[in-house]
Order: sequence, then C-alpha cells, then structure tokens
Amino acid sequence: EPEVTQTPSHQVTQMGQEVILRCVPISNHLYFYWYRQILGQKVEFLVSFYNNEISEKSEIFDDQFSVERPDGSNFTLKIRSTKLEDSAMYFCASSPDSYNEQFFGPGTRLTVL
Amino acid sequence: DAKTTQPPSMDCAEGRAANLPCNHSTISGNEYVYWYRQIHSQGPQYIIHGLKNNETNEMASLIITEDRKSSTLILPHATLRDTAVYYCIANNNNDMRFGAGTRLTVKP
Repeated sequence: EPEVTQTPSHQVTQMGQEVILRCVPISNHLYFYWYRQILGQKVEFLVSFYNNEISEKSEIFDDQFSVERPDGSNFTLKIRSTKLEDSAMYFCASSPDSYNEQFFGPGTRLTVL
Repeated sequence: DAKTTQPPSMDCAEGRAANLPCNHSTISGNEYVYWYRQIHSQGPQYIIHGLKNNETNEMASLIITEDRKSSTLILPHATLRDTAVYYCIANNNNDMRFGAGTRLTVKP
C-alpha cells in the first residue's frame, strides 16, 4: 500500500541554524501539507500546497518557514533560523483532492538545542 | 471551521462497540465531518468522513444527526490496538484543525 515517507526521522540542530525536512508524498496525490505537534500538545496545521503554490497557511507559518516541491516527488519544509520553540514532531501529509482523506507520514522529530 | 467538542477521555471493553461523540453545533452546510486518530506519537490516521449521510467503511461507522449538529464514531468491535486519541474535525477546506480529541482506552 502506498505511503507517505519522511526523512530524517530525527533531526537535532543548533538554534539559529537552517533545517530542511523532507517528505515524499503518495505519487498520484495533488495536495500536500505540513503539520507540527509540540510534545504533549495538539497537532497544528502549518501549510497546504497545491499546483506549486501555497493554498492555505496558518498564523504559525511565518517568514521563517517555506515550502517547496523541488522535483516531481519531494516536498520540503525549510525553517530558516530555528528557535527553541520549533522543537516538535513535523508531519507531512498528502491527499488526492481537497475533500478526501489526508495520508500522514510517520513524522520527523526536530530538536533545537 | 466549525468548533467541535469531544469528551477528553473514554474507556471501552475489548470486543465491545466504542461510541465516540462529537458536537459541532455551528457546522455550516458545506462542512464535512472528519474523524482521525493518533496512536501514541505516530502520524494521524484517517478513519472516515461524511457530509450528512451516515457512512461505513472497514474501520468504523459515522452517524451524523439529521440537523448535523453532532455525530458519533462507532468502532464496532474495539481491540487493544484501537487505544488512541480520536479527533473529530469539521471543515470545508483542506487544513485539518485538530483539537484535543478523545483519548480512548480499550481495556481487556
């Protein structure tokens, strides 16, 4: 069964450094998403991406964040200058269209020191 | 997105049906009701969704009241592996706004 994959599974970085989290969505899906979950808290929507542009973003997704689909398979989330409060699980998801289910990846645990 | 209200926790005996309620009294006509679950710290897993008709799939059934102000997710024969946090989301676009959900504990 096709699944969303994410790399790395765990990323440790120093405050102020840039990180890129990578996702490979399911191949025939058209909508892509990033969510995050700070330890012990709820899952928070960050951004959705369709047709090579951002379609929705939350108030969390500020200028420090960017997303890109650099080729036909990868979908990346870049955090330009990480802060301690960016430590969280980051989940990528994809869906075939905007009303159907979203398929989530296993997540990348980001630890900012 | 309409606000949803769920009980913070529920228990269910293994093999019995688990009925998880959700209130969404401010839901608008074009908002779907989605259910997801999260087992431990894994990625959320889609369960089912519906607009106004009841829905059933291999995982669960979704019962939506006629006025659409509330719904119930039914796991017909809960197993220990169904222990998870269950999220009810009402929206009409593609950003899922997760609340605190219901922590379901299935007990032997």
